[in-house]
Amino acid sequence: EVVLTQSPGTLSLSPGERVTLSCRASQSVSSSYLAWYQQKPGQAPRLLIYGASSRATGIPDRFSGSGSGTDFTLTISRLEPEDFAVYYCQQYGSSPPYSFGQGTKLEIK
Amino acid sequence: QVQLRESGPGLVKPSGTLSLSCTVSGGSITNYYWSWIRQPAGTGLEWLGRVFSTGTTSYNPSLKGRVTMSLDTSKNNFSLRLSSLTAADTAVYYCARDLGRFGELPPKYALGVWGQGIMVTVSS
Repeated sequence: EVVLTQSPGTLSLSPGERVTLSCRASQSVSSSYLAWYQQKPGQAPRLLIYGASSRATGIPDRFSGSGSGTDFTLTISRLEPEDFAVYYCQQYGSSPPYSFGQGTKLEIK
Repeated sequence: QVQLRESGPGLVKPSGTLSLSCTVSGGSITNYYWSWIRQPAGTGLEWLGRVFSTGTTSYNPSLKGRVTMSLDTSKNNFSLRLSSLTAADTAVYYCARDLGRFGELPPKYALGVWGQGIMVTVSS
């Protein structure tokens, strides 16, 4: 089973700042299988990035994903107030279970 | 625009069986994978399994044979059954659809459409 570890657990930042979130896999994952989601309180997760670097429909270009092998990152170039949320990575396409990371919470400083 | 909606009981008894349904509107159930995910309060997401439109399934081994997923193409819905319930199964349960259709090129491996979620409490 692939275990995804996200870091840091919580980040306190201000609007306008740039942030990079990390997702590390316990074994190599094809870039095609790495996705990122955003979840706000009381809402379902929303797909941001698939295939490690492709933005889902309607996702602003301030969100970008990169990485390969065991190390993947989600970057938000300039934080907007609506970006403060919890972010999850997921490997979806290697052998099941299609595990999620434990999440990184972005909070307003 | 495809939409998903979970339905089922909000309260189930320990040792009982949970049955949830996810109704698909605005699109066909065929040629997609359909997943169930859950989230205990204040914690992260757990992928439970998925079912393809032909009925082929794949489950999370952590559920140790307690889970069954199926779908009904005539009703455009799919279902989750989880047996031998304990308090640890208390969670918000989500249904979701793959982003890309099976066989679509290039493939798109992600959960692209989600239901709003349904809170399920296991308690006597």
